[in-house]
Amino acid sequence: QQQVKQSPQSLIVQKGGISIINCAYENTAFDYFPWYQQFPGKGPALLIAIRPDVSEKKEGRFTISFNKSAKQFSLHIMDSQPGDSATYFCAPKGPSGSARQLTFGSGTQLTVLP
Amino acid sequence: GAVVSQHPSRVICKSGTSVKIECRSLDFQATTMFWYRQFPKQSLMLMATSNEGSKATYEQGVEKDKFLINHASLTLSTLTVTSAHPEDSSFYICSARAGEGNTIYFGEGSWLTVV
Repeated sequence: QQQVKQSPQSLIVQKGGISIINCAYENTAFDYFPWYQQFPGKGPALLIAIRPDVSEKKEGRFTISFNKSAKQFSLHIMDSQPGDSATYFCAPKGPSGSARQLTFGSGTQLTVLP
Repeated sequence: GAVVSQHPSRVICKSGTSVKIECRSLDFQATTMFWYRQFPKQSLMLMATSNEGSKATYEQGVEKDKFLINHASLTLSTLTVTSAHPEDSSFYICSARAGEGNTIYFGEGSWLTVV
């Protein structure tokens, strides 16, 4: 059972544009919804995360939108920059049991053209 | 912010030998550490969860006799790839959690090449 579906697999955006990456999950035990950014040859770094009691969280150019009823959350990158070119992973987790570890999506390779 | 350090960042070993990768939490005590494996252009695959002072919990399909994990202290976990083969060549990443919080910090990863 694929618990986390991330889309699109790859995304090309012009500088200054908006990048949108989506994540759909099945496990209702998830209660923490982070996005990680990974540059080639490096470990992932936490970018932004949201708890299910809010529908949106914004940090600078990065926004998470959360739809609990649809079991989906998305990452929006406003004013995308070439330096944002990286692979992005959603990785929801829950408080206990099998959901206690981060469950990584398949990743989205973002390329921002100068 | 919290830092997780991995060493070595790159290692080349001969087939049949063993290689150890260290994962250290530099400014916090990590009650739980995780080891992942990542192939090029793929997602992270959880290999095992390491709790300080107890045996690691391995994910299904991961050979615990081949991938030895030791979490001897609250700041150090090690992954030893025993009798390495070329198919073990991969990017290995550790992560650490402080207490029972949600925030998990990742190391920079270790590239293993078995020749």
